[in-house]
Amino acid sequence: KAGVTQTPRYLIKTRGQQVTLSCSPISGHRSVSWYQQTPGQGLQFLFEYFSETQRNKGNFPGRFSGRQFSNSRSEMNVSTLELGDSALYLCASRRGTDAFFGQGTRLTVV
Amino acid sequence: DQQVKQNSPSLSVQEGRISILNCDYTNSMFDYFLWYKKYPAEGPTFLISISSIKDKNEDGRFTVFLNKSAKHLSLHIVPSQPGDSAVYFCAAKSDTDKLIFGTGTRLQVFP
Repeated sequence: KAGVTQTPRYLIKTRGQQVTLSCSPISGHRSVSWYQQTPGQGLQFLFEYFSETQRNKGNFPGRFSGRQFSNSRSEMNVSTLELGDSALYLCASRRGTDAFFGQGTRLTVV
Repeated sequence: DQQVKQNSPSLSVQEGRISILNCDYTNSMFDYFLWYKKYPAEGPTFLISISSIKDKNEDGRFTVFLNKSAKHLSLHIVPSQPGDSAVYFCAAKSDTDKLIFGTGTRLQVFP
């Protein structure tokens, strides 16, 4: 059974650009959550999608957005990138209570 | 406002001994708790979980204890192995079904 797949693994963008990250959940999982990890801050919750609807949202600015497709794949978009957006972005898929993470996308904004 | 806290940023333990990682939470509505292990440049790996109706759950070398009155949970690893060296995150499931994570504790197991 394939795990959670995130693409790309690494990304370098320039300040002001926008970026789209992709996440394919475990087959059968309909919930996809996104997290940002920065040193010393743990995993900060961005948002969760379930059956193509945003079910939960964290405290991030509107530059961070997401969507989920009918096959449960999800994308996260960050517009007008800032240097502080450099982080590891993690996607987790859930069915029930336990969440399983992908490898993450390391975004560097220069 | 950090609802899930891991107050020890790091812990160093000798191989073969017990590792105890602690986690405190503030919201009594949390009803499910999880522990994850994370290596650098990888996603967190699910380790073990516990429902609020239990006070202990064991899986091999890993045991999680929950003290609801103290709003405290701990992860025990016995015996500790060098491969256990990683960052450990605890997480709590909120009443809106959101997972809230702590800031992590870096465990180092030395020979």
